[in-house]
Amino acid sequence: EPEVTQTPSHQVTQMGQEVILRCVPISNHLYFYWYRQILGQKVEFLVSFYNNEISEKSEIFDDQFSVERPDGSNFTLKIRSTKLEDSAMYFCANRGDGETQYFGPGTRLLVL
Amino acid sequence: DAKTTQPNSMESNEEEPVHLPCNHSTISGTDYIHWYRQLPSQGPEYVIHGLTSNVNNRMASLAIAEDRKSSTLILHRATLRDAAVYYCILRDRGSNYQLIWGAGTKLIIKP
Repeated sequence: EPEVTQTPSHQVTQMGQEVILRCVPISNHLYFYWYRQILGQKVEFLVSFYNNEISEKSEIFDDQFSVERPDGSNFTLKIRSTKLEDSAMYFCANRGDGETQYFGPGTRLLVL
Repeated sequence: DAKTTQPNSMESNEEEPVHLPCNHSTISGTDYIHWYRQLPSQGPEYVIHGLTSNVNNRMASLAIAEDRKSSTLILHRATLRDAAVYYCILRDRGSNYQLIWGAGTKLIIKP
């Protein structure tokens, strides 16, 4: 069964640094999502992306965040200037024509 | 987004059926009922979804009340690998398919 992959699996960074989280979606899936989960808390929607545009974003997804598909395959989440409170698991998800979202294993981001 | 209410945790014995309830009394006619689960230290995983009729797949069954104000996820024969947090989520058919998560039910399977 096709899988979503994410890199890196873990990232440690200093506050104020930029990080880029990468996702390789399932081939032919056109709808992309980022979610995050702070340790011990619920999963939170960040942003949805389709046809090279953001289709929906949450209040969490402020100007420090951006998404793109730089090469038409990988899907990235960039945090420009990380804050301590950005420490979380970040999950990429994607969807074909149906209802099901397929999630990656996540990237654990720790901001020091 | 319509909200769901689930018990914080449930316990079940291995190899027995498990019924996980979800209340969604404010559901609208366009909301799909989704279930996802999250195994420890893993990303969420799709389980099943439905709109009005009961649904079955290889993982589980979804029983939807006639008034759609509640639903039940049924694992027919739980194994230790089914220990996870199970999330009942309503997705507005008019939305961009983003999932709005609650706290879910932590399912504990006893050997």
